[in-house]
This record gives sequence, C-alpha cells and structure tokens, in this order.
Amino acid sequence: QLQLQESGPGLVKPSETLSLTCTVSGGSISSSSSYWGWIRQPPGKGLEWIGSVYYSGSTYYNPSLKSRVTISVDTSKNQFSLKLNSVTAADTAVYYCARRNAYYAMDVWGQGTTVTVSS
Amino acid sequence: DIQMTQSPSSLSASVGDRVTITCRASQSISNSLNWYQQKPGKAPQLLIYVASSLQSGVPSRFSGSGSGTDFTLTITSLQPEDFATYYCQQSFNTPRLTFGGGTRVDVK
Repeated sequence: QLQLQESGPGLVKPSETLSLTCTVSGGSISSSSSYWGWIRQPPGKGLEWIGSVYYSGSTYYNPSLKSRVTISVDTSKNQFSLKLNSVTAADTAVYYCARRNAYYAMDVWGQGTTVTVSS
Repeated sequence: DIQMTQSPSSLSASVGDRVTITCRASQSISNSLNWYQQKPGKAPQLLIYVASSLQSGVPSRFSGSGSGTDFTLTITSLQPEDFATYYCQQSFNTPRLTFGGGTRVDVK
C-alpha cells in the first residue's frame, strides 16, 4: 500500500529556508500516472496547494508562492522535496505531501508535519 | 486562476440529517471536481473524484453531483463520524490545483 511520510525541521527562523522531504513507500515515484504535491494548512485555516512535481522533474507552482518555492524529485531515493525561502510567520503551517492520481485527485496523503517560523 | 467558493462555511446538523454542501467554480471546470473530508489533526481524505465517483472505501451515504460551475456534496444520513470539515478542489487545470475554503459540519 502506498504511503507518504514528510520529514524535516519543525522550527525555522524568519528569512531562512524551509526544507522538507516526502518519502514514498509501497510504490514507485516514477509512476507515469502520478504527480506528487505539497499542500499546506495554516493554523485554523484551509488548504493551500503549494506545487507539484512529476517524476521527470517537471514542476508546477502556486503563482502566489512561485518566487520562493522549489520542488524537486529524487527517483533513486523515491523522494521529493520542498524548499521555501525567505520564510515569515505567515508560512507557519502543517505541510502535507500527497499523490495526485490518474483521476487528478489527491488520493494518498502523508500525515503532515508542523513547521513553525519563529526566532 | 480558478477560484472555488464553498457554501455554507459552516453548518450545524444532527445525526440522521441530510446534509448538502455546495461548491462553485469561477469558470466552467467540466466535472473536474474532487471532495475531501478532514478531521481535526488529520490529513484530508478523498471522498469523491470527478464530481460523482465514490472513492474506494467511502460509505455510500456520500454522493457528489454537478458539472460546469456548480457542484454538490450530499450526505444522506449524517453519522457521528461525519462531523468534520469538507473541502472541494478543482483539477481542471491540473497539475495546478485550487481548494475551496472549506465547510465545517458540527453538532447541532
């Protein structure tokens, strides 16, 4: 069964770079029908799509975050990663990784990881 | 960008009630609409994809309908485990996604 697991620091200082990794197990990140995405949820708020990556390395970003976001994939490790630079308190959120399936729905999610931006 | 608007933002209901949540897209998205359920402290779970297809393992009391710009999620007989927040999400311009603002269903 496909599983996703986020990992990375839970505390990041303002102006620094948030870095998270999602490890895919139980399946291949190189599946031709899958895209891999990052979604975040600030405390008490709704879901915000950050961006997605295909195993080939093609990336797609939320226009509101595009200038600060980099998403990459490492097929040898079955992982994909998120980097968000110049963070502020507004970037404090639970960050989820998820798979977009062949029906264009996010059908498998990681458990989420809380990232707090604070000095 | 395609904007997704959900209504209501919250509602109160009782076990056994029929619950309807609406999602409206800022432009036609055909049937490219998915619904998710999220419980506190948990990741969202896919309920409905392509507007009306039930995800495997999801109870049949959940159903989705609509096309174009207007969509509906219906819970025919609300169960205790259904008190949660529900989100719609468009996949028309996938892989770029947009979520609705969410509808919280709580106990009346």
